Amino acid sequence: LAKTTQPISMDSYEGQEVNITCSHNNIATNDYITWYQQFPSQGPRFIIQGYKTKVTNEVASLFIPADRKSSTLSLPRVSLSDTAVYYCLVGTYSGGYQKVTFGIGTKLQVIP
Amino acid sequence: SAVISQKPSRDICQRGTSLTIQCQVDSQVTMMFWYRQQPGQSLTLIATANQGSEATYESGFVIDKFPISRPNLTFSTLTVSNMSPEDSSIYLCSVWGVSAGGPHSTDTQYFGPGTRLTVL
Repeated sequence: LAKTTQPISMDSYEGQEVNITCSHNNIATNDYITWYQQFPSQGPRFIIQGYKTKVTNEVASLFIPADRKSSTLSLPRVSLSDTAVYYCLVGTYSGGYQKVTFGIGTKLQVIP
Repeated sequence: SAVISQKPSRDICQRGTSLTIQCQVDSQVTMMFWYRQQPGQSLTLIATANQGSEATYESGFVIDKFPISRPNLTFSTLTVSNMSPEDSSIYLCSVWGVSAGGPHSTDTQYFGPGTRLTVL
């Protein structure tokens, strides 16, 4: 399983765009990149997934360069409710599911 | 999407006892997973539980300590046996399913709210 490295914590003011970069230098050809969000006392929640280039949904955007050795989760105009831990996961689909390993995650603190 | 509930939501137990955690899903799913999240830490996969087969345990976790049942496609239990204070954690159930519809539907894991276990 590809190991991921991301900042342990980040602070941002309300209304700003937040970019969290994750390094995955040994990503395999068949690996997908998935981001989850976890609030205190809750289970993680899927945010976005991508393989290459850019993916956008109603919550976030995911930018993946051509070499796929990193990815950047972009949260537009964050609010206080976006304060959470964000996990970058990399894994291959095998046996019908994506086998991943959770890293430490990035603790995002949104400041009023 | 899948909605997952867990019982109990939290418990305080005595050393040497066992606790069974229930996980209920609102739809039929093939793959279910059990995770542990120790205080201030990330999630660690305990085992994968497919209906109709024995659970597959990750390195460091054994069936005698964490027996799992998977009687049907919507339910699973995890038992934490002969507990010690080191077992104090949040235990999470998750399933594999299709995310909310729309142009970005994708298969992903859905997590339950977790069971917060404290062992004295």
